[in-house]
This record gives sequence, structure tokens and C-alpha cells, in this order.
Amino acid sequence: GAGVSQSPSNKVTEKGKDVELRCDPISGHTALYWYRQRLGQGLEFLIYFQGNSAPDKSGLPSDRFSAERTGESVSTLTIQRTQQEDSAVYLCASSLPDSGTRRNEQFFGPGTRLTVL
Amino acid sequence: GQNIDQPTEMTATEGAIVQINCTYQTSGFNGLFWYQQHAGEAPTFLSYNVLDGLEEKGRFSSFLSRSKGYSYLLLKELQMKDSASYLCAVRAPGLSGYSTLTFGKGTMLLVSP
Repeated sequence: GAGVSQSPSNKVTEKGKDVELRCDPISGHTALYWYRQRLGQGLEFLIYFQGNSAPDKSGLPSDRFSAERTGESVSTLTIQRTQQEDSAVYLCASSLPDSGTRRNEQFFGPGTRLTVL
Repeated sequence: GQNIDQPTEMTATEGAIVQINCTYQTSGFNGLFWYQQHAGEAPTFLSYNVLDGLEEKGRFSSFLSRSKGYSYLLLKELQMKDSASYLCAVRAPGLSGYSTLTFGKGTMLLVSP
């Protein structure tokens, strides 16, 4: 399909292990975002990629979290030494480039549900 | 900092009208979005306001007052399928200079028969 895809859909891991989450944005969307959503909570911004510019990492909660993006395609979010508090749904979204006040809404993937035991 | 407030829960009956309010205090403003999120699913775009006034789209309308830091989402002729969480989000310049979205915690709407 033409939407944002994420894998895996579910991930169960043991405390202390590393996990890698993948996001495939919509083709042509140069902007890519990662969010975390804890149960019953809103979306918490993690990181934002815009083309080849330096990413906005201001939302990453600790240095255990990192993300990479190759060009304007796939992105991976890595969580090292996972903790139980990392359990959440991790959502990826993509959009056309940020251009001030144009709508350019974000399109979300289905998310990866991470459970840390 | 960015702060967005919306009620946690609302209930309404099928066929009725409901208004979900959102107030915000942000550093900068480049537009306000409403998203719908059904349980276990990804958020989907509903509406966008960048200028003051009302935007109407079918059964859904959204209003913005920038001077008051206030928006509302109006849902008419409620249907059972409208039971979902409604997320208010404000776009504003981030540390990188590009704009990012800050989301409220969402309003869970329950529509009963």
C-alpha cells in the first residue's frame, strides 16, 4: 500500500535487551517523526527528520534512545538496555516538508507495541 | 514550553452534537490539528486551522481563536463509530527551527445508543 508502514507490529523483550523498530514512510515525504504513546496517554514527540538536515532530537527521553534515517527513506529507532518504563506503542509519521503554515498533515503508521518484561 | 489542555473524557448519545474544547499555550504557532484515534489504531487526520474561524467538513467542524489560544471540534449527528479519542495538536517551531507537533493527551468520546 501507499501508507506508512512499521515493523514489527508487536515486540516483547526482556529488560536490558536492545530493540530496533523500523518505519517506512510514504514515498516523497521528506519529513519523518517518531512518537511514543503510553497506555491511555497522548503522543509524546521523540525525534524529527527533515530531509538531509540534522534531526531534531529534543524529545528523546535518554541516551538509550537513538534513531537513524537513510536519506529520505527508511528510519530505525533503537532502544538500548530496555527498561519496563519503555513499554508503549511507538508511532512513526511522515509528511511533506515543513513549510510554515501549509497543512502538510502527518500520516501515521500502525505503530509497534513494545512490551518490556 | 508547550502546553495543550483538553478534557479527558466525554459522553454523548447517538444523533446528538458534541463539542470538544482545546486550549493551548505555545511558543509560536503554525497551525492546529485535530486527529481521531480509535482504540488500538493509528491517529488519522480530521481537520486543520491556521486562521481564526470555523472550518466545516461534513459532520465535523473545527474552530480556532488564536488570540484566546482556543479551539474546538464539533461533531454533529453522532454515530456509534465516532467513539474514539480525539487529539488536539499544535504545530510550532521546534529547537531545530523546523515545526513540530505537540499533542494534547486526547479526549475519549463515548457515544451511547
